[in-house]
Amino acid sequence: QVQLQESGPGLVKPSETLSLTCTVSGGSISSYYWSWIRQPAGKGLEWIGRFYTSGSSSYNPSLKSRVTMSVDTSKNQFSLKLSSVTAADTAVYYCARHVGATPYNWFDPWGQGTLVTVSS
Amino acid sequence: EIVLTQTPGTLSLSPGEGATLSCRASQSVSFRYLAWYQQKRGQAPRLLIYGASSRATGIPDRFSGSGSGTDFTLTISRLDPEDFAVYYCQQYGSSPYSFGQGTKLDIK
Repeated sequence: QVQLQESGPGLVKPSETLSLTCTVSGGSISSYYWSWIRQPAGKGLEWIGRFYTSGSSSYNPSLKSRVTMSVDTSKNQFSLKLSSVTAADTAVYYCARHVGATPYNWFDPWGQGTLVTVSS
Repeated sequence: EIVLTQTPGTLSLSPGEGATLSCRASQSVSFRYLAWYQQKRGQAPRLLIYGASSRATGIPDRFSGSGSGTDFTLTISRLDPEDFAVYYCQQYGSSPYSFGQGTKLDIK
């Protein structure tokens, strides 16, 4: 059974870069699409972006200029970098796998989420 | 971008009753590429329904999804105490993927 676990600093200073890693266990990271989603406290879900292990990626236009995603297949991990963060980027960040071999599939499973707070 | 609007915002019902949650899209969702997720406090979303009407593995048959085009519904028959949570719809037919703002199902 595939499991995902997010990790990274829980506190990031304004204007700095948020960096998170998602570790995949119980299955290979290869040949799947993977996404990052975030959720500010008490609010709804926002899709950040997706990538495929071949290197292709697609980001939400609202965040595109600040987002970079990458993969380390040797470690079965993928990463998110969000630059120039502000308090509005404070949220729980989730990683999730797309079901199936195309980008147009639902998310399952999800990681448990990690809270990132942007504050000086 | 497809905007999803969920109604009602909050639904207060008693265990044993039935619930109907609505999700309306600003434009047609391709191939019924719509999913429903359940989220409990402090937990990640859990997949309930995909392809508008297919139940995910392990999801009780009291959960059902329907709809096409721009109007979709999640129906929960005979509410169990564990069903009181927040429910989100999500379209994955076009990028950027989008989620509704959620419907909170409260115990009356």
